[in-house]
Amino acid sequence: DQQVKQNSPSLSVQEGRISILNCDYTNSMFDYFLWYKKYPAEGPTFLISISSIKDKNEDGRFTVFLNKSAKHLSLHIVPSQPGDSAVYFCAASGINNAGNMLTFGGGTRLMVKP
Amino acid sequence: DTGVSQDPRHKITKRGQNVTFRCDPISEHNRLYWYRQTLGQGPEFLTYFQNEAQLEKSRLLSDRFSAERPKGSFSTLEIQRTEQGDSAMYLCASSTEGAGAFFGQGTRLTVV
Repeated sequence: DQQVKQNSPSLSVQEGRISILNCDYTNSMFDYFLWYKKYPAEGPTFLISISSIKDKNEDGRFTVFLNKSAKHLSLHIVPSQPGDSAVYFCAASGINNAGNMLTFGGGTRLMVKP
Repeated sequence: DTGVSQDPRHKITKRGQNVTFRCDPISEHNRLYWYRQTLGQGPEFLTYFQNEAQLEKSRLLSDRFSAERPKGSFSTLEIQRTEQGDSAMYLCASSTEGAGAFFGQGTRLTVV
């Protein structure tokens, strides 16, 4: 049973436009959410996170929105750049997760076209 | 470089052989995690250490797998009698309490 799902395996966006990556979760005990970016043959790189006490967190071009009632979060990248092309993973942790262990979604491959 | 370091980056081994991977976490991080990632999937949790104590192990971690963090600093992950299904990227991450985890570049294992 997948507790964190990213239903879009891929997304293609034009440079300069907004990229919106979505993530859904089922475990109501999750209270901390993160987005990671991954290039081939490298480990995931932390991008941005949000606690369940907030509904929005912004860092430069990256904004994460959390809708707890819908158990849904999204990552907005504005404006998108070709260097943003990578696989993006949504992850979640909660009070029942040992030591903040993360449960990951399956990833969304973002392609930003020049 | 003060990030998470993993060694080796790549390992090719014959089925049935034992392999050992090393992870050096960020020095001030007391929490260390091992994850496994297969093609097209997100990373899956394997095990977690707080300092030298192994506090959690996933059901994915069969009895052929063992992890240690003897002095609360670096960690090793050993796989005995490797099988083709063990082929994956093995990722190490570290964190402090209440913070997001930072990952190393991973060790890609290929069992032939």
